[in-house]
Amino acid sequence: KAGVTQTPRYLIKTRGQQVTLSCSPISGHRSVSWYQQTPGQGLQFLFEYFSETQRNKGNFPGRFSGRQFSNSRSEMNVSTLELGDSALYLCASSRLAFSTDTQYFGPGTRLTVL
Amino acid sequence: QQQVKQSPQSLIVQKGGISIINCAYENTAFDYFPWYQQFPGKGPALLIAIRPDVSEKKEGRFTISFNKSAKQFSLHIMDSQPGDSATYFCAASRAGANNLFFGTGTRLTVIP
Repeated sequence: KAGVTQTPRYLIKTRGQQVTLSCSPISGHRSVSWYQQTPGQGLQFLFEYFSETQRNKGNFPGRFSGRQFSNSRSEMNVSTLELGDSALYLCASSRLAFSTDTQYFGPGTRLTVL
Repeated sequence: QQQVKQSPQSLIVQKGGISIINCAYENTAFDYFPWYQQFPGKGPALLIAIRPDVSEKKEGRFTISFNKSAKQFSLHIMDSQPGDSATYFCAASRAGANNLFFGTGTRLTVIP
């Protein structure tokens, strides 16, 4: 079974631009969560989608948004990029949306904002 | 604020030794406590997890000890191997929610 895939793997943008990251969950998984990983703040939850609906949202500004499609694939968008948005963005999928469902992480998209 | 506190930040252990990483939490609504292992360039991978109705869980060389009254849990890696060298994260989540609160991570180095 293929794992969680994320595209692109690396991205370089400049301040003020916007970016869209993509995540394809494991086949049959309906929940997709996004996390931001930085050396200073560690791993922080961005949002979770289940059956195309946002279930939970972390403490991030409205510049961060996401969506999920009917095939469970998910995208996250960051508008008006800031230097502090440079991070590894991780997507995780799980079969359902219960706390005890194992979340499987993708390799991440490394975003660099110049 | 950090909902899950993790220590130490880094750990160096000799091959064959025991690695111990500790975590503490405040939110009593947490009901699931997984540990993740992350290698450079990879996403975190689930290692072992525990629920608060159990005080210990063992899978191979990895054991979680859980102290509900102290709101602490720890990961023990027995017979540590150089291949265990990675960053380890503890995490917690609430019932009915799928978002994980992560600790700050422990970089483990196992010396041959």
